[in-house]
Amino acid sequence: DAGITQSPRHKVTETGTPVTLRCHQTENHRYMYWYRQDPGHGLRLIHYSYGVKDTDKGEVSDGYSVSRSKTEDFLLTLESATSSQTSVYFCAISPGTGTQYTEAFFGQGTRLTVV
Amino acid sequence: AQKVTQAQTEISVVEKEDVTLDCVYETRDTTYYLFWYKQPPSGELVFLIRRNSFDEQNEISGRYSWNFQKSTSSFNFTITASQVVDSAVYFCALSEAWRDDKIIFGKGTRLHILP
Repeated sequence: DAGITQSPRHKVTETGTPVTLRCHQTENHRYMYWYRQDPGHGLRLIHYSYGVKDTDKGEVSDGYSVSRSKTEDFLLTLESATSSQTSVYFCAISPGTGTQYTEAFFGQGTRLTVV
Repeated sequence: AQKVTQAQTEISVVEKEDVTLDCVYETRDTTYYLFWYKQPPSGELVFLIRRNSFDEQNEISGRYSWNFQKSTSSFNFTITASQVVDSAVYFCALSEAWRDDKIIFGKGTRLHILP
């Protein structure tokens, strides 16, 4: 299995509080992604990174920020959590389509509930 | 713009029937990659296949087969002789090689295999 770990796996937080989710990889892959999964919407890309300190917005980036100071860690921050950010969050990694890789590897997911 | 459409939200078939999951994509690139992932009830995302835009050969893997047609921008997935264990949500995804390997998913198709 690919070395990718998400933490925490479950979190309940109050509206208005900041929350940081961590994605850690041991594969030294260049690309890292954050998705959220909601019923009826599938997997939607929040932010992604194509290298250390290189990040870009995805489809649903409002209310989220990210940072990647090391190859192995990609942090997703909800500056002020809202109930609409209740979701399951997935991190993914990949070496890039220019390589011989065959897949993007996904973490186990983080279930976040904002009350 | 990069887009993946899975028009079938939910499908139910009786065990041993064949079933095809549709995937239609939009891209401006000539070089791109298509994926299928499976998400069983346990929640993890399982890679099934990757296909690049230069390889239009259909692929068969056991009971699974994929039909890639660039002329109709489709990458359909067929399960032959379905089994209850095939019950899952299936996602189709697209990556445009020059756009920093951003991977965009469709909304998924929930497949129920009835015993």
